[in-house]
Amino acid sequence: GAGVSQSPSNKVTEKGKDVELRCDPISGHTALYWYRQSLGQGLEFLIYFQGNSAPDKSGLPSDRFSAERTGGSVSTLTIQRTQQEDSAVYLCASSSTTGVYGYTFGSGTRLTVV
Amino acid sequence: LAKTTQPISMDSYEGQEVNITCSHNNIATNDYITWYQQFPSQGPRFIIQGYKTKVTNEVASLFIPADRKSSTLSLPRVSLSDTAVYYCLSGSGNTPLVFGKGTRLSVIA
Repeated sequence: GAGVSQSPSNKVTEKGKDVELRCDPISGHTALYWYRQSLGQGLEFLIYFQGNSAPDKSGLPSDRFSAERTGGSVSTLTIQRTQQEDSAVYLCASSSTTGVYGYTFGSGTRLTVV
Repeated sequence: LAKTTQPISMDSYEGQEVNITCSHNNIATNDYITWYQQFPSQGPRFIIQGYKTKVTNEVASLFIPADRKSSTLSLPRVSLSDTAVYYCLSGSGNTPLVFGKGTRLSVIA
C-alpha cells in the first residue's frame, strides 16, 4: 500500500478484556516495529520483526502482550486481560531495509481501557 | 534508554531559522543520525538522516561534525505548521531505534 495502515484507529475496551491491533505495512518492507506512546511521552519500543528471523520481543512489558506477523506482511499485536495502564497510542512502523533509511509510521491505534 | 540527549522544548517566531542540537557522545561507528517530526495524533515522520558532514533536503539540513558526538537539525524560516515534537536518534539497521522524549518546538506568530 501507499503507507502503513493501522486498525482500528480508536479502541475503547473494558478492563480485563483482550484486544487485537492490526498493522498492514508498506508492501515489500521486511522490517516491522511496534511502539507505544503514552500521553506526552516518547515512544516505547515493544517488538521488532525482520524478515523470517525470530522477533525481538525485548520491549514487551509483560506476558499479556504478544505479537505475530503472518506471511511476512500483516502484524497483529494482542493484549490480553487489559489494564488501565495499557491505555496509550500503539504505533506500527515498517522499513525497507533494517531501518537505516528511516521508518514509515502508521497513524496509530488509540487504546483506552476503562 | 535513548542514546541521544536533546532539549526538552524550544520556542521560535515565524520566519526564523531554528537549530536543534542533539548530543550522542557514545555513537557507534555504524550508527546513523536520524531525525523525525511528530504532530499531535500522528505517528512520527522521517525528516532527514546523515552519517557525517552536512545533509540537506527540501525540509531541513543536518550538520554532523567530524567527531560525530553531536548533530544539529536546522529548519529554515519556520512557520506555525512546524510546531511539533522533533526526535533525534542514533542507530544502525541491526536494532530498533530508541526514541527519547524529543524536543517540543513551538512556533509563535
